Amino acid sequence: EVHLVESGGGLVKPGGSLRLSCAASGFTFSSYSMNWVRQAPGKGLEWVSCIGDGGSGIYYADSVKGRFTISRDNAQNSLYLQMNSLRAEDTAVYFCAREGRDQGFDYWGQGTLVAVSS
Amino acid sequence: QSVVTQPPSASGTSGQRVTISCSGSSSNIGSNTVIWYQQLPGTAPKLLIHSNNQRPSGVPDRFSGSKSGTSASLAISGLQSEDEADYYCAAWDDSLNGRVFGGGTKLTVL
Repeated sequence: EVHLVESGGGLVKPGGSLRLSCAASGFTFSSYSMNWVRQAPGKGLEWVSCIGDGGSGIYYADSVKGRFTISRDNAQNSLYLQMNSLRAEDTAVYFCAREGRDQGFDYWGQGTLVAVSS
Repeated sequence: QSVVTQPPSASGTSGQRVTISCSGSSSNIGSNTVIWYQQLPGTAPKLLIHSNNQRPSGVPDRFSGSKSGTSASLAISGLQSEDEADYYCAAWDDSLNGRVFGGGTKLTVL
């Protein structure tokens, strides 16, 4: 069974940094592109970033470009999101999601909350 | 303000058929496949429709998707109380080089 488990969220001050992790199991992690999607409290979904199965094909939303870095370790079946220069508007639940062959995000984690506040 | 537009709300009574629209542009819906997600309160989103109109296994055939030009629609027939959720459309955007989500539509079953 496919499982995605995010961790690393928490409370951080504006300008601070956090590193999110997503542990994957139940599938061949190295064969799938992976994505980060966030949802601010009471708001809609916002795509953040994606990374290809081999670690190339990296794209970012304009709102995080230059501040966030996506990476993966296929040997450890893990996806990461390094978040620097955090702002209040980055406050959200961050989900990792597997991208299926048809481009749909077919499996999602439960999310991890990032709160940016002084 | 999302580049893909959905109505903020929709409603229907049990058994009714409702549709949710999703309007984009030539750089997203017009040139890429549309995906639909369902998000029940307090849970992670669930893939509902991919490739414009394909249902993953396990999704009831009450849910159907369509696309025409730069717009897409999700139809739900035989509305049930458990369909009360937020629905999002999404597509890749060639100009932004990224995925875009619609703002979401909150469906209420009256």
